[in-house]
Amino acid sequence: AQSVTQLDSQVPVFEEAPVELRCNYSSSVSVYLFWYVQYPNQGLQLLLKYLSGSTLVKGINGFEAEFNKSQTSFHLRKPSVHISDTAEYFCAVSVVGNEKLTFGTGTRLTIIP
Amino acid sequence: DTEVTQTPKHLVMGMTNKKSLKCEQHMGHRAMYWYKQKAKKPPELMFVYSYEKLSINESVPSRFSPECPNSSLLNLHLHALQPEDSALYLCASSQQDRYGYTFGSGTRLTVV
Repeated sequence: AQSVTQLDSQVPVFEEAPVELRCNYSSSVSVYLFWYVQYPNQGLQLLLKYLSGSTLVKGINGFEAEFNKSQTSFHLRKPSVHISDTAEYFCAVSVVGNEKLTFGTGTRLTIIP
Repeated sequence: DTEVTQTPKHLVMGMTNKKSLKCEQHMGHRAMYWYKQKAKKPPELMFVYSYEKLSINESVPSRFSPECPNSSLLNLHLHALQPEDSALYLCASSQQDRYGYTFGSGTRLTVV
């Protein structure tokens, strides 16, 4: 079975500083990888996804992520964060051909003015 | 229409009540999902419907009963819930595993 690990439960970052949110996955078969963002009292919004091909994936709101197969990682980055980026970020994985999406435990990103 | 609409947004119910949560999408997605999310936790899968048929039930107690009347609608019927069932219930839909899910904004359920 597949699993996702988000090692950092909370990440505080100063406004306009860069940020990296870490995600590692485990699976014996091919997977699709996703990052979702959840703002307070809202549902989840898809930030970006890796299906195949180029390992650098660009998403919405200036976020990008890099797939590293050898390290089984899919870290999320943004070069300059804003107050509006304060939210919970979830990494998720699905096995190719399987509808089930498995989420990591989430990382709370807090932007310090 | 690129949204998943959930109603109601908030629901307070007693342990003896019967209520239903509703989810609707008009994107032509073939799969629909119910997730439960407790505070400060990731969403947990409850049910998956694929082409209007129940394909995954993650050992959810029978007090939760899903229904998919057609390809655009998904209901979750609630009966005799417990206070620990209080959570955010999220509906999602997808066209295929590779496209990711589109989530609704959820129903905040409180059981008293």
